[in-house]
Amino acid sequence: IAGITQAPTSQILAAGRRMTLRCTQDMRHNAMYWYRQDLGLGLRLIHYSNTAGTTGKGEVPDGYSVSRANTDDFPLTLASAVPSQTSVYFCASSAGTNTEAFFGQGTRLTVV
Amino acid sequence: GQNIDQPTEMTATEGAIVQINCTYQTSGFNGLFWYQQHAGEAPTFLSYNVLDGLEEKGRFSSFLSRSKGYSYLLLKELQMKDSASYLCAVMDSNYQLIWGAGTKLIIKP
Repeated sequence: IAGITQAPTSQILAAGRRMTLRCTQDMRHNAMYWYRQDLGLGLRLIHYSNTAGTTGKGEVPDGYSVSRANTDDFPLTLASAVPSQTSVYFCASSAGTNTEAFFGQGTRLTVV
Repeated sequence: GQNIDQPTEMTATEGAIVQINCTYQTSGFNGLFWYQQHAGEAPTFLSYNVLDGLEEKGRFSSFLSRSKGYSYLLLKELQMKDSASYLCAVMDSNYQLIWGAGTKLIIKP
């Protein structure tokens, strides 16, 4: 059972470059989320999707975009990376809006 | 604004009991979650409380008081593997999770 998979695991990216973080789940969960986790701060929601075909903005959406073409995939794109986007990014999914979330293993992104 | 407060770090002894507190101020309430996160790993679900009272699950218990905006996670018979960060998260009226910064728990032999 794979659960939820993120790729890549880590990446060093030059500022100004475009980057897509991949996220795939095989649990047929409706809801999916992208968070960033920075030292000393709680997880912060970037974007979310309550069901395939719909997306919404979270707490810190600027500089990021998402799409949800199908149930399984929820890619996160940084159009033009900046050093402040250096963080650990977690993708998560849940069966519903008030059920437990399952997290991917995270992507450690460094923008230089 | 919305706010979740929990201690930054706690230390406890192997075999002992520790209580990690979480206070919250959010726009609405649709449940409170506790997650465990080992260093360098993803958070994993521990418990969910939506009604007042104590929920027990093995060595871990979670308590909620909605009137006080307060929860705690109780860990009994501490083991070295319990060394991790414990994250408190509240689901607000829009069904969005608001996360605390986490409590790093250090277990000493």
